[in-house]
Amino acid sequence: EIVLTQSPGTLSLSPGERATLSCRASQSVSSSFLAWYQQKPGQAPRLLIYGASSRATGIPDRISGSGSGTDFTLTISRLEPEDFAVYYCQQYGNSPTTFGQGTRLEIK
Amino acid sequence: EVQLVESGGGLIQPGGSLRLSCAASGFTFNSYGMSWVRQAPGKGLEWVSTISGGGGSTYYADSVKGRLTISRDNSKNTLYLQMNSLRAEDTAVYFCAKDRGSGTSPPRFDPWGQGTLVTVSS
Repeated sequence: EIVLTQSPGTLSLSPGERATLSCRASQSVSSSFLAWYQQKPGQAPRLLIYGASSRATGIPDRISGSGSGTDFTLTISRLEPEDFAVYYCQQYGNSPTTFGQGTRLEIK
Repeated sequence: EVQLVESGGGLIQPGGSLRLSCAASGFTFNSYGMSWVRQAPGKGLEWVSTISGGGGSTYYADSVKGRLTISRDNSKNTLYLQMNSLRAEDTAVYFCAKDRGSGTSPPRFDPWGQGTLVTVSS
């Protein structure tokens, strides 16, 4: 199965700053079938990005995804208070689908 | 608006059984694959199982194969997870989630229900 490794484990930034989250796969992800989810405490995950770079419905354009093959990035250009949460990547190009271990984005 | 509402979680002893339900609304239920994803306390996300829209194809993580069974009743717009021979390591919040398509390829999850907590402990 494909192992996804997210870095950093925790990212401490201030509102207004730029956040860059990484997701590296142990082998190439088919057709860039890579998604990103945001999860806040006590809530279900929410889909942000699919197909490595397509925004889900209602996601603001300050949130973007990029990458292909084994290296993927989630970028939040200007952090808003509601962006501080845990972020997970998921590959759905190979069975079984797998998740990264998560990156916690916290307020500095 | 798509809504997914899980129920059936609780405290169960090791070796016991439990059935989770997920009531769906706001979309054509039998056209979409559905999945269960779990999250142990303080941990990350783990895919558990997926069922195709018609119910004819099912997929399981190795960690639950032979103990958990996914099913659906399309006449009731409801997804199920029958959990048998439960272990302490099955303790988690169980989320149901709608797939992007019919459920015959690896799923992408959108949206998710609010989750139901299963605690396996004596």
